[in-house]
Amino acid sequence: DSGVTQTPKHLITATGQRVTLRCSPRSGDLSVYWYQQSLDQGLQFLIHYYNGEERAKGNILERFSAQQFPDLHSELNLSSLELGDSALYFCASSVLTGADTQYFGPGTRLTVL
Amino acid sequence: DAKTTQPNSMESNEEEPVHLPCNHSTISGTDYIHWYRQLPSQGPEYVIHGLTSNVNNRMASLAIAEDRKSSTLILHRATLRDAAVYYCILRFLILTGGGNKLTFGTGTQLKVEL
Repeated sequence: DSGVTQTPKHLITATGQRVTLRCSPRSGDLSVYWYQQSLDQGLQFLIHYYNGEERAKGNILERFSAQQFPDLHSELNLSSLELGDSALYFCASSVLTGADTQYFGPGTRLTVL
Repeated sequence: DAKTTQPNSMESNEEEPVHLPCNHSTISGTDYIHWYRQLPSQGPEYVIHGLTSNVNNRMASLAIAEDRKSSTLILHRATLRDAAVYYCILRFLILTGGGNKLTFGTGTQLKVEL
């Protein structure tokens, strides 16, 4: 158990809908990262927040957005969902940034029908 | 990001050592070498990292070539629970508060047999 929690574990929705994925980092970790894992693209970095502020962006679609709240939990919002958004979404946390270790949660499996 | 090259798959027998290679010929002086693994149906898990010297921890050893253009992750006695995809990743050091990320390649699928 990494100490990072993600909810829900599974999510099934329809095209065009909007969903919110939630992540609680390990106690004391200030950084939260979001990754997407699909069969054709592998594991891809989406976005990084540090202490409530966005610090780095990957190939995150404009339909996706994220935020980190004062209690350090984070939410990833996915809107106007398409079939291709079906994937595993992982959240990771770390104490700071730099080259420190990232601890990953169990993931949320999103299925768009 | 500097690129790494790993074999797609490797096989090992249980209780035997496993050497997982990684080539990173374009590594820069400030790049750390990180290894993560992903067990089936789980999120990635940190294994080990190093800069120049060889490193050991309870999970594995990391052997880094003198020119740093390659490295090897060593599992001293593979078990069935070590069957996973192993990712070799280069990360550069960023000051606190700076943006950072892990860039995953396709990794090496390790199969462990009885």
